[in-house]
Amino acid sequence: KAGVTQTPRYLIKTRGQQVTLSCSPISGHRSVSWYQQTPGQGLQFLFEYFSETQRNKGNFPGRFSGRQFSNSRSEMNVSTLELGDSALYLCASSSPPGATQYFGPGTRLTVL
Amino acid sequence: AQSVTQLGSHVSVSEGALVLLRCNYSSSVPPYLFWYVQYPNQGLQLLLKYTTGATLVKGINGFEAEFKKSETSFHLTKPSAHMSDAAEYFCAVSSQGGSEKLVFGKGTKLTVNP
Repeated sequence: KAGVTQTPRYLIKTRGQQVTLSCSPISGHRSVSWYQQTPGQGLQFLFEYFSETQRNKGNFPGRFSGRQFSNSRSEMNVSTLELGDSALYLCASSSPPGATQYFGPGTRLTVL
Repeated sequence: AQSVTQLGSHVSVSEGALVLLRCNYSSSVPPYLFWYVQYPNQGLQLLLKYTTGATLVKGINGFEAEFKKSETSFHLTKPSAHMSDAAEYFCAVSSQGGSEKLVFGKGTKLTVNP
């Protein structure tokens, strides 16, 4: 079974731009969660989606948004990028909700 | 609210020595507990998890952890370190029957010396 895939793997943007990251969960998994990893703050929860509905949201500003499609693929969007948004963004999938989360390789976002 | 404290941001051991990585958690509800490992430029790989039942949990690559409710601890051990164990290790907690949200510790970077 293929694992969680994330695209792109690396991204460079400038301040003020917006970015969209994509996550394809393991086949059959309907729950997708997103995390931000930075050296200073560590791993922080962004959002959780199940069956196209956001079930939980972390403590991030409204510039961070996400969605999930009917095939369980998920995207997250960050608008008006700031230097502090530079991070590794990790996606995880699980099934059913509450089960073990399996992580993708991440998207490394650099904001210049 | 839940939280995780990993004691020691860096741990160094010799090859063949015991590995002990410490994790204490705080949770107002029965927890699920996890250990993940991260190699450079990679995502997180699950080592082991505790949900319910047996408190000694065995994982991959020879790692195990013991859930001690009275001590609110979930320390990770391996009897004999290998060079390939060098990585960063994260302890995490979530709620039983609750949301997917994982709360992570700050991580412990393990160095294995030859």
